[in-house]
Amino acid sequence: RKEVEQDPGPFNVPEGATVAFNCTYSNSASQSFFWYRQDCRKEPKLLMSVYSSGNEDGRFTAQLNRASQYISLLIRDSKLSDSATYLCVVYTGGFKTIFGAGTRLFVKA
Amino acid sequence: DVKVTQSSRYLVKRTGEKVFLECVQDMDHENMFWYRQDPGLGLRLIYFSYDVKMKEKGDIPEGYSVSREKKERFSLILESASTNQTSMYLCASTRGAGGNTIYFGEGSWLTVV
Repeated sequence: RKEVEQDPGPFNVPEGATVAFNCTYSNSASQSFFWYRQDCRKEPKLLMSVYSSGNEDGRFTAQLNRASQYISLLIRDSKLSDSATYLCVVYTGGFKTIFGAGTRLFVKA
Repeated sequence: DVKVTQSSRYLVKRTGEKVFLECVQDMDHENMFWYRQDPGLGLRLIYFSYDVKMKEKGDIPEGYSVSREKKERFSLILESASTNQTSMYLCASTRGAGGNTIYFGEGSWLTVV
């Protein structure tokens, strides 16, 4: 079983749609959680951190459920520019950071 | 603006050649990393360094070595390139203790023929 698992997609949605990505992690002692965004043939960049209380940044909402070892990212009112791969990232301590394989999103006009 | 620079973006090398991938960061970060990214596998850690001249193996160090002679520079070396090392290589840096934002370079696309 992978330490961090994501649905690879691709998710194909129309502009304006709401889309949700899920991620599960296996190490219950994991400390910090993040979503990174990676555009085609580019480097990953931090999108947002994920907290147990949930956090929102504009159209993006991230949630963490420690009991179920589950992280989610919700994108509302999708834009063409949201098309990218979204990486679930889990920090487990020391220098250990685990990256999911990513979920691809295509937003179409 | 923070910057991690990988000097070679696209390389084609022959099997058995020695390959150097250079990475420089301008943020005075203590920690630097080399990852490779392959479809369906996510990013996998090759080596990391938490200080000058210090290096630690990551999850897939076989066939690779690294060098960190200066704080801002971290090099990845493939002593004898093989076709299974064809991949995208990403350099990254972070400040201080773990869990902080990871800053990546633009990536080096290596093809070994």
